[in-house]
Amino acid sequence: DAKTTQPPSMDCAEGRAANLPCNHSTISGNEYVYWYRQIHSQGPQYIIHGLKNNETNEMASLIITEDRKSSTLILPHATLRDTAVYYCIVRVRMYSGGGADGLTFGKGTHLIIQP
Amino acid sequence: SQTIHQWPATLVQPVGSPLSLECTVEGTSNPNLYWYRQAAGRGLQLLFYSVGIGQISSEVPQNLSASRPQDRQFILSSKKLLLSDSGFYLCAWSVKGPQKGYTFGSGTRLTVV
Repeated sequence: DAKTTQPPSMDCAEGRAANLPCNHSTISGNEYVYWYRQIHSQGPQYIIHGLKNNETNEMASLIITEDRKSSTLILPHATLRDTAVYYCIVRVRMYSGGGADGLTFGKGTHLIIQP
Repeated sequence: SQTIHQWPATLVQPVGSPLSLECTVEGTSNPNLYWYRQAAGRGLQLLFYSVGIGQISSEVPQNLSASRPQDRQFILSSKKLLLSDSGFYLCAWSVKGPQKGYTFGSGTRLTVV
């Protein structure tokens, strides 16, 4: 799996957009970018994933650079409940019925939303 | 809808005692199941995964074992706990085929004393 690099912590004001960067310069052509977040003492929560096109869902937007060596997770209007550790992961997505792909979580970015 | 149950939420066990953590999934069949551990101040480490009943793959050698006696049941065990087994244990499931991601349980915080 490609290694990812994230800043250890970030602050963002409530109501503003939170932009979380992730570098994955060794990403392969068939590796997807996944984002999860973990609120203290809870299990991680899936946010979004993408391959090369930008993606948007009800939680966030994912912007992937054209060379795919970095990406940014955008929380458009951050709230206090968005305070969490955010993990950026790259992994091949297995389609075979007999396969399982265990995601490897690094230390992530601790995002703190300030009131 | 699919749900994942994990228990107990917290556990304090003496060194050398056995361990059994249980995870069950509802609302889906033939899921991939995973056990992760998160030590204090560290990232999540994949311990075991299973693609079917009786099929267990271990990612790291350790004092723990896993079993999958039923399709939607995943058990993490140890015969004799070590202090280093303390941590936050998470069970997760995913569908086979194209995946949106994992769904994690609420976790068990294990303290070995």
